Amino acid sequence: IAGITQAPTSQILAAGRRMTLRCTQDMRHNAMYWYRQDLGLGLRLIHYSNTAGTTGKGEVPDGYSVSRANTDDFPLTLASAVPSQTSVYFCASSDSSSGANVLTFGAGSRLTVL
Amino acid sequence: GQNIDQPTEMTATEGAIVQINCTYQTSGFNGLFWYQQHAGEAPTFLSYNVLDGLEEKGRFSSFLSRSKGYSYLLLKELQMKDSASYLCAVRDGDYKLSFGAGTTVTVRA
Repeated sequence: IAGITQAPTSQILAAGRRMTLRCTQDMRHNAMYWYRQDLGLGLRLIHYSNTAGTTGKGEVPDGYSVSRANTDDFPLTLASAVPSQTSVYFCASSDSSSGANVLTFGAGSRLTVL
Repeated sequence: GQNIDQPTEMTATEGAIVQINCTYQTSGFNGLFWYQQHAGEAPTFLSYNVLDGLEEKGRFSSFLSRSKGYSYLLLKELQMKDSASYLCAVRDGDYKLSFGAGTTVTVRA
């Protein structure tokens, strides 16, 4: 079934540790995104990539980095995790050449930083 | 940046109609989206408006007024499975999508 796969589903992490959240899509979408979702704040854009080889900063990029080496993969790295990065992280992709450019979301990765 | 406002919670009875309002202020506008998100799941696409007016899709309709910075999502013939969070999202002039905090709809029997 075509879609987006995120890993891990859930992770508990000690503060200061490095963590990479993985995201892979098989829809050949050119654009990919990382959002975090916190209660009362909704989904906030962390980083995005309009095409392989390019990335951009969203609303809350500090403490996070991304890379887009190919079309399918868009990993999100926390270089040194802090408790405020406890959240649910959603990866999404879209075909920006289509009119509506609808985002398709992965199932999410729940991260707890202690 | 974006400022997107929607009510936090709404409750309605099975079979009834509920209207979820969304107001926004944007730097540029390239479309308004509604997503549905069940607890513990990913958001899924419901509707898209880029021009003023009403878009109807079965039991769900979405309305947009660009001059007023206003949209609503209308859910008709409510079913228990419609209990979820409904997210209003706006695409800005740079084609980035920003979300409101979401409206939790509870459908009661």
